[in-house]
Amino acid sequence: NAGVTQTPKFQVLKTGQSMTLQCAQDMNHNSMYWYRQDPGMGLRLIYYSASEGTTDKGEVPNGYNVSRLNKREFSLRLESAAPSQTSVYFCASSEVLASRAFFGQGTRLTVV
Amino acid sequence: GESVGLHLPTLSVQEGDNSIINCAYSNSASDYFIWYKQESGKGPQFIIDIRSNMDKRQGQRVTVLLNKTVKHLSLQIAATQPGDSAVYFCAPRGTGGQGAQKLVFGQGTRLTINP
Repeated sequence: NAGVTQTPKFQVLKTGQSMTLQCAQDMNHNSMYWYRQDPGMGLRLIYYSASEGTTDKGEVPNGYNVSRLNKREFSLRLESAAPSQTSVYFCASSEVLASRAFFGQGTRLTVV
Repeated sequence: GESVGLHLPTLSVQEGDNSIINCAYSNSASDYFIWYKQESGKGPQFIIDIRSNMDKRQGQRVTVLLNKTVKHLSLQIAATQPGDSAVYFCAPRGTGGQGAQKLVFGQGTRLTINP
């Protein structure tokens, strides 16, 4: 049982480049989330998907887009990366919205 | 806006001692609270949760206390071990933008266990 799987684990981008972070869960959870974590700070919600077919903005959505591809997969896209988006990104899932969430191992993204 | 704060951002304890990590929250309507542990280079892991109709819940070596009157919760870890060294987050459930419920994460407390 893999839980929440994120790819890639590490990525370096140049300013202006685009990329998509992938996330998949095998727990049949309805809700999925993308968070970012900056040094010494807590987790800030970027986007979430309460259920398949829906997505909503979190606290810090600017510069990001998401796609809930199916119940298992929830991707995060940076269309034009900026140095301010250097961070560790975590995907999470939960059975229903705002219940106990399970987290992936994170993607460390550096934008130069 | 909603906020979650911690009284002690860093805490060092001797191996074998008990530790207490505190968390203050601002939303009196929060009905559910989770504690997460995050080890270096890993994602947060669930430790224990508590609902607002309880004031205490115990797990294996951990106890969470909830005081709704003063909007405070604490995580007690008994007989600390080196593997307990991590950052601990409390996450109350509150209402975010557009009325949707969400978990609000504080900045975390770094717990260091000294041998």
